[in-house]
Amino acid sequence: DTAVSQTPKYLVTQMGNDKSIKCEQNLGHDTMYWYKQDSKKFLKIMFSYNNKELIINETVPNRFSPKSPDKAHLNLHINSLELGDSAVYFCASSQLSNQPQHFGDGTRLSIL
Amino acid sequence: QQQVKQSPQSLIVQKGGISIINCAYENTAFDYFPWYQQFPGKGPALLIAIRPDVSEKKEGRFTISFNKSAKQFSLHIMDSQPGDSATYFCAASKGYIPTFGRGTSLIVHP
Repeated sequence: DTAVSQTPKYLVTQMGNDKSIKCEQNLGHDTMYWYKQDSKKFLKIMFSYNNKELIINETVPNRFSPKSPDKAHLNLHINSLELGDSAVYFCASSQLSNQPQHFGDGTRLSIL
Repeated sequence: QQQVKQSPQSLIVQKGGISIINCAYENTAFDYFPWYQQFPGKGPALLIAIRPDVSEKKEGRFTISFNKSAKQFSLHIMDSQPGDSATYFCAASKGYIPTFGRGTSLIVHP
């Protein structure tokens, strides 16, 4: 069983569209994260959710919004997509803040 | 402000050699220092981690050296193998705010 799974794996869409990326973890972890990895492979944290509460929110545009229906899921909604949003987005989870994070295999978002 | 500085950006070693990647941090409140390994098309995966109360941790061919006073930590890969070719990230965290280094692309030639 895949510990952290995210869908879709690839997402190609037009500028201005709205899209969502789904993430599910079956590890029973309390905290989930979303990261953005740019073309230079720099990993930047976007959001962190602990027990369904947003506990950090980096300076990302408000076009990005995380939604957590339950502890096992953290979805990412993106409105009015821009060219600069093209990147690989990773979902991750951990039990506690000072324990290993388990990452999904990423969603490659390409904006045309 | 980059709180974790990682070097080198890229590294090429011969099979059997030692690979060394260094990281320096600024925030003395960090209490967890993991290293992640990432292969193309995959998410990062935990390789080894250390907490600031120890100076060294070894797991197989991988060793973390930690210098609290210098605010530096490093990853040593002994007997490097072609299968170790990947991107390596150091990270540091306090609470739920992990900060990653910019990554090191390691290539191990056969």
